[in-house]
Amino acid sequence: KAGVTQTPRYLIKTRGQQVTLSCSPISGHRSVSWYQQTPGQGLQFLFEYFSETQRNKGNFPGRFSGRQFSNSRSEMNVSTLELGDSALYLCASSFPSGQGGDTQYFGPGTRLTVL
Amino acid sequence: KNEVEQSPQNLTAQEGEFITINCSYSVGISALHWLQQHPGGGIVSLFMLSSGKKKHGRLIATINIQEKHSSLHITASHPRDSAVYICAVRTGYGNKLVFGAGTILRVKS
Repeated sequence: KAGVTQTPRYLIKTRGQQVTLSCSPISGHRSVSWYQQTPGQGLQFLFEYFSETQRNKGNFPGRFSGRQFSNSRSEMNVSTLELGDSALYLCASSFPSGQGGDTQYFGPGTRLTVL
Repeated sequence: KNEVEQSPQNLTAQEGEFITINCSYSVGISALHWLQQHPGGGIVSLFMLSSGKKKHGRLIATINIQEKHSSLHITASHPRDSAVYICAVRTGYGNKLVFGAGTILRVKS
């Protein structure tokens, strides 16, 4: 099976612009989670989508949004970019086995640089 | 105080040594994950635990729910084990994870 893929891998934007990142989960996986990793804050949970519905949301401003399509592919969008949004954005997919937790499979990440 | 604390922050070991990385958490959890991140960013899930102990090759993970503590052990360490090891806890419903700051491990030959 192909792993989790993320596009693009690298992105450079300027302050005030918006950006859309894409994640294709492993075939059959219905849960997709997004994470932000920065040197200062480490890894932080952004949101989780399951069957096209947002199931969980982290403590990020409304500029960060996402969605999931019927084929489980997911996109996240960041509007009005700030310098502090420069980070590695990771998505992870899992095959839901229940509410107790699932092994997540991570994509390679998209490195976003905001100038 | 962070909800998930890892120790040590940095660890240097000689090849062949037994390594222990610790993780303590202060919230109720439904599962605990140990993740490995190599330079370049890729993250691999090593273990998911809700009780007891799991073993995979030279890696062993244990969890004590009452003490809110987990350990990751690496036996017969090797330079290829050099990576950042991250503890993460699942709090309640779904896949929302809270992460520790990570332990940077360097194994010298």
